[in-house]
Amino acid sequence: GESVGLHLPTLSVQEGDNSIINCAYSNSASDYFIWYKQESGKGPQFIIDIRSNMDKRQGQRVTVLLNKTVKHLSLQIAATQPGDSAVYFCAEILQGGKLIFGQGTELSVKP
Amino acid sequence: GAGVSQSPSNKVTEKGKDVELRCDPISGHTALYWYRQRLGQGLEFLIYFQGNSAPDKSGLPSDRFSAERTGESVSTLTIQRTQQEDSAVYLCASSLVVSGYTFGSGTRLTVV
Repeated sequence: GESVGLHLPTLSVQEGDNSIINCAYSNSASDYFIWYKQESGKGPQFIIDIRSNMDKRQGQRVTVLLNKTVKHLSLQIAATQPGDSAVYFCAEILQGGKLIFGQGTELSVKP
Repeated sequence: GAGVSQSPSNKVTEKGKDVELRCDPISGHTALYWYRQRLGQGLEFLIYFQGNSAPDKSGLPSDRFSAERTGESVSTLTIQRTQQEDSAVYLCASSLVVSGYTFGSGTRLTVV
């Protein structure tokens, strides 16, 4: 099956600090990108998305940056809280609607 | 329904037995996806349905894996002659529009 980056790196941050999670994607023709949060024992939950014609989008405490030149996505979480501890995945939507997940990162927030 | 429902939530089976995993998508969602997630790893695409047809089966790992969808609703993923390497969480997602994917909580399959 398809996926990118099967090894999960970890990021440990102090409560209240900002977190930056990075992801590389594979297909330069992808139209749409999504960040998901996955808590233990649950399915992925939508956090924020961005279209390929944008380079930045902000939500509540989260910002996604897209650099199409180097095929790189980042998720910034402001004032990280213990409830943000989870695995974070980026995903790209290929033409035709197929959703392909990228590398996951495990975020651990220390109180 | 309110969300994507998968059953069973947990399944333990003996090596060599067949298993069926069920996914009930959100009502009206035309697209349905199956993914496999091994412990500590990312999501691996298996198959995608648009309506009742499967335009992309490229992720099915072997001919022991098959899936069907009926009535543009329920989908079943069948694994025949299960092997220990099939142990994983199998996740289903549905969507109506691009980016509107909603995931179920998955079926944790353990082959002993």
